[in-house]
Amino acid sequence: DGGITQSPKYLFRKEGQNVTLSCEQNLNHDAMYWYRQDPGQGLRLIYYSQIVNDFQKGDIAEGYSVSREKKESFPLTVTSAQKNPTAFYLCASSTPYNEQFFGPGTRLTVL
Amino acid sequence: GQSLEQPSEVTAVEGAIVQINCTYQTSGFYGLSWYQQHDGGAPTFLSYNALDGLEETGRFSSFLSRSDSYGYLLLQELQMKDSASYFCAVRDQTGANNLFFGTGTRLTVIP
Repeated sequence: DGGITQSPKYLFRKEGQNVTLSCEQNLNHDAMYWYRQDPGQGLRLIYYSQIVNDFQKGDIAEGYSVSREKKESFPLTVTSAQKNPTAFYLCASSTPYNEQFFGPGTRLTVL
Repeated sequence: GQSLEQPSEVTAVEGAIVQINCTYQTSGFYGLSWYQQHDGGAPTFLSYNALDGLEETGRFSSFLSRSDSYGYLLLQELQMKDSASYFCAVRDQTGANNLFFGTGTRLTVIP
């Protein structure tokens, strides 16, 4: 079955630690995205990548980093520079100018 | 910049019809999308309007008026499973497929 997987589903981090969230897709989509969602809020774009080995900052990129070494994979690192990282993180992918397909999300909690 | 406004909460009775409105401000408009998200789940695509008028997909319809910077999602024959959050979204100003989301409307369907 084609789709997007994210792991882990739940993640706990101590303050000051970096943590990497996984996102993999087998839909053969060129574009991939990372969003952050806070309770009762919409989705805000962190980073996006329209092609392998290229990515761009979204609206709230500070404290985050990404890589896009393979078409299928777009991992997100939440660094210690992100002051309020507790949130629900969603990865998505799409073909150009078409609907975005979302993964199940990772809920990150900073202890 | 971009902004989207939609009601924060709507309650409707099972079997009824409900309309969720969305008004937007954006310097470059490339289409209005609607996504559904159940609690703790991933957003799923419902509809997309690039041109004025009504798009119908089963029980769901979406309308767009570009001159009024306004759209709505219409849900007919409401079912309990339609209880979820509904987000309108516009493509960002670059014209790429990045989405800017509203803060969502939480729909509660009651018996």
